[in-house]
Amino acid sequence: GAVVSQHPSWVICKSGTSVKIECRSLDFQATTMFWYRQFPKQSLMLMATSNEGSKATYEQGVEKDKFLINHASLTLSTLTVTSAHPEDSSFYICSARDSRGGNQPQHFGDGTRLSIL
Amino acid sequence: GDSVTQMEGPVTLSEEAFLTINCTYTATGYPSLFWYVQYPGEGLQLLLKATKADDKGSNKGFEATYRKETTSFHLEKGSVQVSDSAVYFCALSDRRDDKIIFGKGTRLHILP
Repeated sequence: GAVVSQHPSWVICKSGTSVKIECRSLDFQATTMFWYRQFPKQSLMLMATSNEGSKATYEQGVEKDKFLINHASLTLSTLTVTSAHPEDSSFYICSARDSRGGNQPQHFGDGTRLSIL
Repeated sequence: GDSVTQMEGPVTLSEEAFLTINCTYTATGYPSLFWYVQYPGEGLQLLLKATKADDKGSNKGFEATYRKETTSFHLEKGSVQVSDSAVYFCALSDRRDDKIIFGKGTRLHILP
C-alpha cells in the first residue's frame, strides 16, 4: 500500500541549531503534502500545506521564516526548523495524498520527535 | 470554521467490553469523516472513513456511521482487546482543499 516515509524519526540537538525533516511518498506522487505539529497528549495542528513547485501555505500563527518548507519534487517535501529553541520541541508529522485524486486517502508518516536542549 | 469535537479521555475499559467514542463535527460543506489511531510513539494510521451521509466505515471490528442529521461519527467496537489501547482521533476533510481537521484525541486504555 501507499507509504509515506519521514526522516529522521528522532533528533536531539542544541538550541540554535537548524534541523531538517524529510517527508517522502514512496510509491506515489504527491503535489500536496501537509505538515502537522503535535504537542504531548494533544491533537495534531496543521502548520502548513506544502505545494510542489510553489510556496507553501502557512496556517495562521505559524512563522514561515521559522519553519521553512520546500517541496522540490513530487515525492519529497522538507521542513526546516531554523534556529531551533526548546519551545520548538514537539512531534512533527507529515502527510501526503496521491496526486491522482479521486477517493485517495491521505497517508501519514511515522513522525519526527524533535528535542531541543 | 470547520471543527471536530470528541469525548475527553482517558477511557479505561476491561477486555471484551463494548466501546463507544463520541464524535461530532461542524462543517459548512459535505466533508469526508475519518477515524485515525495512534499507537505509542508512532504516527497516525487511518482506521476507517466515510465519505457521505449514512455511509458506514469499518475496519478491525471498529465501525462508525456518518450521521448527517446529528452531525456525528461515533466510533464503536463490540469487544475491545488490550492491543486496541491507543489514542483515537476523529477527523474531517473538506474536499475543497484536502486539509484534515482533527479532534483532540481520546486515549483508550484496555485492561486485561
